[in-house]
This record gives sequence, structure tokens and C-alpha cells, in this order.
Amino acid sequence: GAGVSQSPSNKVTEKGKDVELRCDPISGHTALYWYRQSLGQGLEFLIYFQGNSAPDKSGLPSDRFSAERTGGSVSTLTIQRTQQEDSAVYLCASSSSGSNTGELFFGEGSRLTVL
Amino acid sequence: AQSVTQLGSHVSVSEGALVLLRCNYSSSVPPYLFWYVQYPNQGLQLLLKYTSAATLVKGINGFEAEFKKSETSFHLTKPSAHMSDAAEYFCAVSDKRPGANSKLTFGKGITLSVRP
Repeated sequence: GAGVSQSPSNKVTEKGKDVELRCDPISGHTALYWYRQSLGQGLEFLIYFQGNSAPDKSGLPSDRFSAERTGGSVSTLTIQRTQQEDSAVYLCASSSSGSNTGELFFGEGSRLTVL
Repeated sequence: AQSVTQLGSHVSVSEGALVLLRCNYSSSVPPYLFWYVQYPNQGLQLLLKYTSAATLVKGINGFEAEFKKSETSFHLTKPSAHMSDAAEYFCAVSDKRPGANSKLTFGKGITLSVRP
């Protein structure tokens, strides 16, 4: 596709369930980021993938959160044993590391509601 | 480590009035600064960026921002607000040159409302 695609756009789950959020970056973009957007909290960095390098996981809030990127393209963010405080919009972004613009291209996000 | 402060969470202006959204940064190295805009139910898109070239940066939709090192600021302005400018605006900072693991640190965002 032309832009960053995220699915599902909305997810409602019960506390304690696991959820998976998917991100399909722009074709050819080697860098992929996950951010969490909570009301009034801005964007919180979660994890960063760059090519075949080890991901930067410094923003993951707990060991319930994990992410993988298969084949250098699609990424899945997994939240295990969801809690109500996990409710937020999860944003994925990609960029071309060869570019000097520094621009991140964002998807429309996956809104997660934990009941 | 770098950080961004966006004072206030909401700004309201009249259509045609000046828009001023404030951003102050903290960085131990020369920063790279960005403004992103998020329209309702959409993803973020880049408005403009400062990458150590000209201190006055022009972006899309008539917005511009001026990098002031002495004030550690990168305020966003637009001379005349339009109804379509109503959105959430995020300031962001990176301590690495664009293209080299440009992990951005975002501010909390400011919601801009435009009154008819």
C-alpha cells in the first residue's frame, strides 16, 4: 500500500486476555517504530526496529509487551494479560534510514480498550 | 537524554487570528526538532523540521517555526488561522541526525481549536 497500515483499527478486549496488533510499513522502509498514545500523555516510545539490527526495546513498559518484525517488513506488537492501563492508541511509524529528512510516516493507529 | 515541553493542552483562536503553539526542548547535544500534526481520526503527519540549517523553518499549510538556541525553543506559528487547522499538534526532538536511528521524543501535544 501507499502508507503505513495498521490492524485492527479498534480492539476491545477483556482484562487478562492477550492481544496482537499488526503494522505493515511502507514498502522499502527499513526502520519501524511503535508508539503508544494515551489521553493527555502524548506519544510514548515503545520499540524500534532497524533492518537486521537488534531492536531498541528501551520503551517497553513491562515484560507483558513484546514485538517482532518478520522478514524486515510486517511487525506485530503483542500485549499479554492485558490490564486496563494498557488502553490507548498504539501507533506504528516507518522511515527510510537512507533518507536525510528524518520524517516518520505514521499509520492511523490501533485503538485498544481493555474492559 | 532529550525532552520536550509543550505548555498547556488546549489553545483556542478565532479564524484569521495568529496561531502560536509553544515548544521548549532539552537536549545535551544540538537537537533536531520536528512539529507533527494529527487531524481527527488520522495518523500524524510532518508539518516541518529543523535540522541545523536555517533557523526559520517553513512547513506545510502556512506554518513556520523558529529555532532559538538561547531560549531552547521551537515555537510554531501561523499568521492567520483557518478552520481546517483544528487538530492536535506535537513537538518532537531527536538527538541524532535524521536517518540515523531517529527515535523521536514527543511532547504531550496541544489541541488547537479555531472559532468561526
